[in-house]
Amino acid sequence: EDQVTQSPEALRLQEGESSSLNCSYTVSGLRGLFWYRQDPGKGPEFLFTLYSAGEEKEKERLKATLTKKESFLHITAPKPEDSATYLCAVYIQGAQKLVFGQGTRLTINP
Amino acid sequence: DTEVTQTPKHLVMGMTNKKSLKCEQHMGHRAMYWYKQKAKKPPELMFVYSYEKLSINESVPSRFSPECPNSSLLNLHLHALQPEDSALYLCASSQDAGVGYTFGSGTRLTVV
Repeated sequence: EDQVTQSPEALRLQEGESSSLNCSYTVSGLRGLFWYRQDPGKGPEFLFTLYSAGEEKEKERLKATLTKKESFLHITAPKPEDSATYLCAVYIQGAQKLVFGQGTRLTINP
Repeated sequence: DTEVTQTPKHLVMGMTNKKSLKCEQHMGHRAMYWYKQKAKKPPELMFVYSYEKLSINESVPSRFSPECPNSSLLNLHLHALQPEDSALYLCASSQDAGVGYTFGSGTRLTVV
């Protein structure tokens, strides 16, 4: 069964304290892995797309990496405005749909 | 224009009402989607339109009726909803299947 699992469920950090969020997946026919940021009551905001193992992408304090079984979202020296829920999703080609993990709720304390 | 616009932002409706949610994009995307999101849960796919034709219906109850009048517009018609249908309804679009989706800000629906 196609599955996307994110960990931890929630993470609380101090400002400037770097860490990583994990997204592991077991899918057939992976066509892409996506990271989104979602603020309360808003729609998900696109961050990155990764297509093949070894690929890396960066945006400001965020860096996403991909292996054959998991992806990491590294956050370096986070600020309070980085607090949000981070969603990982995979596109399953056979089913023609995007499947989301449960998300990681990240809180950055000043 | 790189946005997906959803209206209304908030909607309160009774169980006997009929209402519609609207979604619009002008990015030339040919695939459009409806997702439902409950509190502290990830978005769940409801419908997929590809080139204005319904391609996926994730076994959604018939009280939800999607419509794609043209390549830029997507509607979700609501009728005889239940309180458990209260959720954030998200519209998204993409250039093609498997390419990054752009989401709207959503409609917060409350059924009373």
